[in-house]
Amino acid sequence: DAKTTQPNSMESNEEEPVHLPCNHSTISGTDYIHWYRQLPSQGPEYVIHGLTSNVNNRMASLAIAEDRKSSTLILHRATLRDAAVYYCILRDSGTASKLTFGTGTRLQVTL
Amino acid sequence: EPEVTQTPSHQVTQMGQEVILRCVPISNHLYFYWYRQILGQKVEFLVSFYNNEISEKSEIFDDQFSVERPDGSNFTLKIRSTKLEDSAMYFCASSERAGGGTGELFFGEGSRLTVL
Repeated sequence: DAKTTQPNSMESNEEEPVHLPCNHSTISGTDYIHWYRQLPSQGPEYVIHGLTSNVNNRMASLAIAEDRKSSTLILHRATLRDAAVYYCILRDSGTASKLTFGTGTRLQVTL
Repeated sequence: EPEVTQTPSHQVTQMGQEVILRCVPISNHLYFYWYRQILGQKVEFLVSFYNNEISEKSEIFDDQFSVERPDGSNFTLKIRSTKLEDSAMYFCASSERAGGGTGELFFGEGSRLTVL
């Protein structure tokens, strides 16, 4: 599996935008970029995914660099409930079914 | 919103005992997974299951582990002869489709296993 690199931790103030970076310089042409998050004492939760174009959904936006070697998850207005570990994961478009979790970025949100 | 449910939420067992963890995936989903997370460590893939057979398994998933879909709604993980190092949170997940472009995984809340 292609590797991703994320900062160990980030902090944000509530109601401010948060940009969570992810580097994936060895991404292959068939890898999708997935983001999951894990709130304290809960199972992982899907956030968003994309291939080449930027993506928006109700939870977040995903900005993908033109060369696809990096991406950024954007939370437009962080709330205390967004405090979690955020995982950037590459997943092949083929039949590969598993997600390979790294250590992720622990996001702290303060008042 | 449909969800994956897991039971028990917490199980304490003696070393060497057998444990069965149960999961009810989302009803129209076809792909099922077990993951585990040892306290303070990464979420690790154990096994994926499709069409009543294992489609992929990790090195962790050795002969001590087995999975089953006994009745079309439940998906179980059996751990025979538990060891201290099996203590972890076990997450069940399901997805409607597989593959990176489509197969969003839905995870349950987890079953915490404590082996004494």
